[in-house]
Amino acid sequence: DADVTQTPRNRITKTGKRIMLECSQTKGHDRMYWYRQDPGLGLRLIYYSFDVKDINKGEISDGYSVSRQAQAKFSLSLESAIPNQTALYFCATSGAGDSPDTQYFGPGTRLTVL
Amino acid sequence: QKEVEQDPGPLSVPEGAIVSLNCTYSNSAFQYFMWYRQYSRKGPELLMYTYSSGNKEDGRFTAQVDKSSKYISLFIRDSQPSDSATYLCADVDSNYQLIWGAGTKLIIKP
Repeated sequence: DADVTQTPRNRITKTGKRIMLECSQTKGHDRMYWYRQDPGLGLRLIYYSFDVKDINKGEISDGYSVSRQAQAKFSLSLESAIPNQTALYFCATSGAGDSPDTQYFGPGTRLTVL
Repeated sequence: QKEVEQDPGPLSVPEGAIVSLNCTYSNSAFQYFMWYRQYSRKGPELLMYTYSSGNKEDGRFTAQVDKSSKYISLFIRDSQPSDSATYLCADVDSNYQLIWGAGTKLIIKP
């Protein structure tokens, strides 16, 4: 079984709808991240969490919110989806430590906002 | 401002060729750089990391950092069709967050 799972894998929605993307991990990692990936722009950090009580904004948090329900679960919400939020969304995890560490990615959620 | 610049490609080469993938960086906190590989419809996965200047080799892959020119390079020898993927370079900032390049799409033609 995959260590980092994301649901749904694909989602098409309409402008103004509320959307939740979910991420679960079995790696036992404390740190979790949400990124979006757009062609030509690479990965951009939306939110990150170093533990259940620690949530931090990333580079592009406007229009998004997150919830860390447990060590293993980190959800991303779009309160009112807009077309420019159409992108590929990735969840990632990493182990705690003072040195830079490897991030492990889920398979991604392809979101289309019409 | 911290940035990592990477040509998105695509870069198309014949099987067996030596591939050179490059990134430039502006201000690096730790001189610690990573290369991730992303296959189509998959999440990125760590391929190699390198610290400071010099080379690091892992099989057919070599990561190189040139501090004087602020260049990060990944070389692939004897390229295979299975190497076709998007390659992303990343720097680590002072908050231990990754600063990503745009990714270069590599196509190895049989």
